[in-house]
Amino acid sequence: TQLLEQSPQFLSIQEGENLTVYCNSSSVFSSLQWYRQEPGEGPVLLVTVVTGGEVKKLKRLTFQFGDARKDSSLHITAAQPGDTGLYLCAARGSARQLTFGSGTQLTVLP
Amino acid sequence: DADVTQTPRNRITKTGKRIMLECSQTKGHDRMYWYRQDPGLGLRLIYYSFDVKDINKGEISDGYSVSRQAQAKFSLSLESAIPNQTALYFCATSASGREQFFGPGTRLTVL
Repeated sequence: TQLLEQSPQFLSIQEGENLTVYCNSSSVFSSLQWYRQEPGEGPVLLVTVVTGGEVKKLKRLTFQFGDARKDSSLHITAAQPGDTGLYLCAARGSARQLTFGSGTQLTVLP
Repeated sequence: DADVTQTPRNRITKTGKRIMLECSQTKGHDRMYWYRQDPGLGLRLIYYSFDVKDINKGEISDGYSVSRQAQAKFSLSLESAIPNQTALYFCATSASGREQFFGPGTRLTVL
């Protein structure tokens, strides 16, 4: 089983601050996805990265895939209360399924 | 209307009871999945199906069974529920194995 470790597990910050969350593994992945889950709902895809070193931006969110395709980071600039949620990374290796990390629970306080 | 629906949304049952969770989708996707979510453990795959005749065990299939009644329907059964199966259960679908679309989840409590 390919393991994905996410850090930190919990993060509480004030509105306007910047933050970075990480997703790491010892395995190489063909692609990596980031999902956000809000209370009472299922996860929703934010982005997919497939190329080592790839950087994608989604408004104030910046996603990076490591050069060796073993890790990824999500950076949020000027966080807002609407960014509050559980952020999950998920990766596809050689199997026909996604492996999910345990998630980072982000709380942005107004 | 939601593309992926799950019923029931909440269920409380007793140890030893048989429980069925149902999932329906209108997205026309071939691939369907069942996950359970526990605090601190993320999403873990229980079973997945790539078409009606293709059923596969996931990481934590013991104590669970599934049925793919049609392309649009995938149900999860707990033959004899036990307290450590208390969790949030999600159904998901995908077309190509890339993006997965999740249902709203079923919160199951086994007493």
